[in-house]
Amino acid sequence: DIQMTQSPSPVSASVGDRVTITCRASQGISNYLAWYQQKPGKAPKLLIYAASSLQSGVPSRFSGSGSGTHFTLTITGLQPEDFATYYCQQANSFPLTFGGGTKVEIK
Amino acid sequence: EVQLVESGGGVVQPGGSLRLSCAASGFTFVDYAMHWVRQSPGKGLEWVSLIGGDGGATYYADSVRGRFTISRDISKNSLFLQMNSLTTEDSALYYCVKGSDFSNYWFDPWGQGTLVIVSA
Repeated sequence: DIQMTQSPSPVSASVGDRVTITCRASQGISNYLAWYQQKPGKAPKLLIYAASSLQSGVPSRFSGSGSGTHFTLTITGLQPEDFATYYCQQANSFPLTFGGGTKVEIK
Repeated sequence: EVQLVESGGGVVQPGGSLRLSCAASGFTFVDYAMHWVRQSPGKGLEWVSLIGGDGGATYYADSVRGRFTISRDISKNSLFLQMNSLTTEDSALYYCVKGSDFSNYWFDPWGQGTLVIVSA
């Protein structure tokens, strides 16, 4: 199974900050990576797919990059509604696996 | 608008069974793979199972293979998860999820979930 490791967790940040979350895969997954945002009591929401493609309707302050084993999610200009937990997920092979999550907290 | 509405969760004793259902609407059901993903209270996300659009292909996480069965009724736009030999480790919020427009292996969107509690 491919293990997905996220860091750091949690992240303490202020409104307007630039936040970068890292996700590492235990083996190469090309660009078969997605990022999800989950707010308390809500279902996850797809933000980024194929490592860097922005899902329709997602604000452009979210961006993703990476390939192989190292990926990042960047939020440029953190907004109050962005305080949430973020998960990466690999779609290279079964079983599909998620990272452990990174909580973005208010500093 | 895509809607996914899960039902069938509840409290069950270890060794028991439950059948989860998901009513789908707002898209052509047969065109998309569907998944079940679960989340234990306060924990992360775990993919459980996938079924292809026509129901011909199924995949399972090792933790549920042989105990859970995923199926779909295309005529009723419904997805199911038959869960047998349940253990306390299966306690979680179970989400019904549609494969995304770009790949069956991205999850978009998600239902609101149905809670399964396995307890004596």
